[in-house]
Order: sequence, then structure tokens, then C-alpha cells
Amino acid sequence: DSGVTQTPKHLITATGQRVTLRCSPRSGDLSVYWYQQSLDQGLQFLIQYYNGEERAKGNILERFSAQQFPDLHSELNLSSLELGDSALYFCASSTWTGTEAFFGQGTRLTVV
Amino acid sequence: AQSVAQPEDQVNVAEGNPLTVKCTYSVSGNPYLFWYVQYPNRGLQFLLKYITGDNLVKGSYGFEAEFNKSQTSFHLKKPSALVSDSALYFCAVTNRDDKIIFGKGTRLHILP
Repeated sequence: DSGVTQTPKHLITATGQRVTLRCSPRSGDLSVYWYQQSLDQGLQFLIQYYNGEERAKGNILERFSAQQFPDLHSELNLSSLELGDSALYFCASSTWTGTEAFFGQGTRLTVV
Repeated sequence: AQSVAQPEDQVNVAEGNPLTVKCTYSVSGNPYLFWYVQYPNRGLQFLLKYITGDNLVKGSYGFEAEFNKSQTSFHLKKPSALVSDSALYFCAVTNRDDKIIFGKGTRLHILP
């Protein structure tokens, strides 16, 4: 158990809908990362927060947004969902930037 | 911009033989390098890291990796492979102030 908790584990939703994925980092970790894993794209970096502030942004679509709250948990919001958004979404946390990140079990999103 | 290349999509090794999974990277500044392993339907598990110091770093489950600055490589190795080592392996890089970027992954098959 990495200590990173993601909910829900599975999510099935229809095209055009909006969903929120939740991540609780390891106790004491200030940095939270979001990644998307699909079969043909590997592990794609979406966004990173550090102590509540956006730190780095990857190839995150404008339909996607995220935030990190004062208690350090983070949410990833995906809207206007398309079939191609179906993937595993991972959250990871680390003590600070530049150290190893620990991953949650992921949320498997299926858009139908 | 940071990047990681894992040139082999798949590596097959007979049980008991040594294994190598290759990784090369590009990053500005000093690299922080990591290896992760992913088993089916699981999140990524941290194996080992290179920050500074000895070029040969040892990690979990008998794995080690060799940092080569001149070749910008960080290959994962194990002297004697086990069937249970079969999994998806990811190399990752950061320069401390930036996001962690992952390679596309290499699927390791250990043949009994």
C-alpha cells in the first residue's frame, strides 16, 4: 500500500458528462501529480500541484481541470467527456518536487 | 524539455539469466532518475532512484540501475531474473524543479 488513495476505483459514464476524480496523498506529502495511462499513449503527465498551487502543466486538455485543497487532497475534473478519454487516471504524491512519487491504484474511467 | 526514451517495447529473458531494461533521458540540469514497476491492474511501484553519488544504485527486489552521464542512460538490471519479475517497467526523469516525465514503458517477460 503506497498510502495514496484514489476514489472511485471504477467509473462508467456517458459522452458529454462530467466526472470528478479524487486523490488523497500520503501523509506529509505536499506535491500531487496526475497522470493519464492509455494503451497507445503510455503514461502522460497531466498536471502537478505543490502545496495548493499549480506547479507544472503537461498535455492537459482544456476540458480537464484540477485543484489541490488546503488539506492537500486533490481533484481532477473531466468535462464534456469523449470516448477517447477512457483511460486509467493515476494520482501520485511526493514529499516535495524532485523526489520519488508514490502512486495510487488509479481510477479506471470508461466513457460509453 | 525533459524526455525519456525506452527503446524496447518488450524484453524477453529466460528465468535465471541476467536482465537489462534500457532507458535514455534528456533533461536540463542535473537529472533525478527513477524506475517504477507496474503489475496488472495496479498502480506504479517505486523501485529505485538516482539523485547523486555512486553511479550504481540498488533498489527493491534485487534490481539495480547504472547511471551513465556521458551516455545519458539509466539502464535497469538484475543479475538473475525471476518469473515474478514479469511486469511493465517505467523509467522516469525530473530535474527537481520540474515535473516527473515517464517513458512509454517496457514489458518484461521472464520465460520459465
